[in-house]
Amino acid sequence: QLHLQESGPGLVKPSETLSLTCTVSGGSISVGGYYWAWIRQPPGKGPEWIGGVSFAGSTYDNPSLKSRVTLSVDTSKNQFSLKLSSMTAADTAVYYCARRNRIYNWFDPWGQGILVNVSS
Amino acid sequence: DIQMTQSPSSLPASLGDRVTIPCRASQNIYHYINWYQQKPGKAPKLLIYATSTLESGVPSRFSGSGSGTDFTLTITSLQPEDFGTYYCQQSYIMPWTFGQGTKVEIK
Repeated sequence: QLHLQESGPGLVKPSETLSLTCTVSGGSISVGGYYWAWIRQPPGKGPEWIGGVSFAGSTYDNPSLKSRVTLSVDTSKNQFSLKLSSMTAADTAVYYCARRNRIYNWFDPWGQGILVNVSS
Repeated sequence: DIQMTQSPSSLPASLGDRVTIPCRASQNIYHYINWYQQKPGKAPKLLIYATSTLESGVPSRFSGSGSGTDFTLTITSLQPEDFGTYYCQQSYIMPWTFGQGTKVEIK
């Protein structure tokens, strides 16, 4: 059974860069047909897609984040990563990693999520 | 971006009720919609994709319908484990967008 787990800091200062890693277990990140995604959910709100990366390194991100996003993949470690620059209080959210199906574009499974607070 | 609107945000219901959860897209998304269930403190879980296809393991009391801009998730007989928040997500075009959710609560 595929399992995803986020890791990274729970607290980031304003203007700093958030770095998160998602470790995939129970299956290979190099299997075709999927993208590996980051999604965030501010408290009390709906999820927001941040972006995604393929095992080959192709990336897509949400234009609303105005080029603040850097995505990467490390197939040797079965991991993929997110960097989000210029963090502000508006970026406070639970950050999830998830697998995206490339045909139907659904997200499943998701990691358990990591709450990231932006505060000085 | 395609906006996904879910109203109401809260839906009180009783065990055994038939529950319908609507979702409206800001433009035609054909049949490209997915549904998720989220319990407090947990990640969303995929229930239905491509409007009406049940994900493996999802009970048959869940069903999805609609096309174009108006879609519905239906629970035919509400069970205790069904209380939670339900989100729709359009899968037609990037950026993929979600609704704000409908919380099914105990009446």
